[in-house]
Amino acid sequence: DADVTQTPRNRITKTGKRIMLECSQTKGHDRMYWYRQDPGLGLRLIYYSFDVKDINKGEISDGYSVSRQAQAKFSLSLESAIPNQTALYFCATGDTVNTGELFFGEGSRLTVL
Amino acid sequence: GESVGLHLPTLSVQEGDNSIINCAYSNSASDYFIWYKQESGKGPQFIIDIRSNMDKRQGQRVTVLLNKTVKHLSLQIAATQPGDSAVYFCAERDGAGSYQLTFGKGTKLSVIP
Repeated sequence: DADVTQTPRNRITKTGKRIMLECSQTKGHDRMYWYRQDPGLGLRLIYYSFDVKDINKGEISDGYSVSRQAQAKFSLSLESAIPNQTALYFCATGDTVNTGELFFGEGSRLTVL
Repeated sequence: GESVGLHLPTLSVQEGDNSIINCAYSNSASDYFIWYKQESGKGPQFIIDIRSNMDKRQGQRVTVLLNKTVKHLSLQIAATQPGDSAVYFCAERDGAGSYQLTFGKGTKLSVIP
């Protein structure tokens, strides 16, 4: 089984719909992250969480919200999806205090029509 | 603009040759630099890292060089193989407190058989 699991892997939705992307990890790390990847723009941080009671905005948090349900679970929500949120979304976990290694999921490709 | 950027967005090399992928950074507070490899359809995977108090670090077929004077980072891949074809991202860690990673835009490496 993968260390970081994202669901769904692919989703097509319409403008205005609410979408939730889910992430679970078995690495045992406290820190979890949501990144967005667009062609030519690399990975941009949306939100991150250092533990269950801690949520922090990243570089591009507008239009997104997150929930840290447990140490192993971190979900990303788009309350009202818009077409420019079409992208590939990655969840990651890792101990970036002691290393630079993040463990990424396989990604969730979201298309907003 | 982004503080972590790449000089070449694409790189094509002959199988067996050495590859060099470059990255520039601008955040003087960055204390840790990491290279990730992203194969098609997958999430990024950690390759190698280097702390800011080092100039060079070697792994298996890969070497990372850090030049703090000009804020430049490079990844060298020896004897490039078809399996090395991927997008490579450099990332820097904020050493000033958040320990977040900021990623560059990526370089696509294509290996010609």
